Amino acid sequence: QQPVQSPQAVILREGEDAVINCSSSKALYSVHWYRQKHGEAPVFLMILLKGGEQKGHDKISASFNEKKQQSSLYLTASQLSYSGTYFCGTLSGGSNYKLTFGKGTLLTVNP
Amino acid sequence: GAVVSQHPSWVICKSGTSVKIECRSLDFQATTMFWYRQFPKQSLMLMATSNEGSKATYEQGVEKDKFLINHASLTLSTLTVTSAHPEDSSFYICSARDKQGMWEQYFGPGTRLTVT
Repeated sequence: QQPVQSPQAVILREGEDAVINCSSSKALYSVHWYRQKHGEAPVFLMILLKGGEQKGHDKISASFNEKKQQSSLYLTASQLSYSGTYFCGTLSGGSNYKLTFGKGTLLTVNP
Repeated sequence: GAVVSQHPSWVICKSGTSVKIECRSLDFQATTMFWYRQFPKQSLMLMATSNEGSKATYEQGVEKDKFLINHASLTLSTLTVTSAHPEDSSFYICSARDKQGMWEQYFGPGTRLTVT
């Protein structure tokens, strides 16, 4: 089942913060975050594994609450280059490795 | 590291012809390769999963006779769209999972197919 992302879209001014949420109705093994710019392929940002991981790189971080089957992506002090559509992909347990992607969150950062 | 290439980047073909898209992992061996289709402003829809040397596993609703997938080696997978029709026009993206990695999946740059 497709994870649910919120919000669907967000507009920021440069320097502002944003949070993108991803929730699933199924038990999750991992959550994968990607950013896609228009006309390009998705770029891998980070993966969070079950066990309550939190991680980050530069000003982008994420958390995974496996009990709630939710993950959040945090973008702080946003830059123009952060603009794009953010997708979360979820992986459930079992031997079948198959990422299921949410519908995406369109982030627009304006000067 | 973890670079996936696709060729061609875009292709325009006439209705009824076949088109082949190549996906290569350039600096790693891919345990598994995936083919996705994406319509404008929509999410990534998995079409099929392929493992080297074995038949691809297609998602429900994807015609395996129309979308032929061949995974000849640990670094190459091809998708052939046979007898293409205008409704097959889309953005096709492949991804690969590193044999040495954990759960990461890396995407190629995508191929824009337009069928006239």
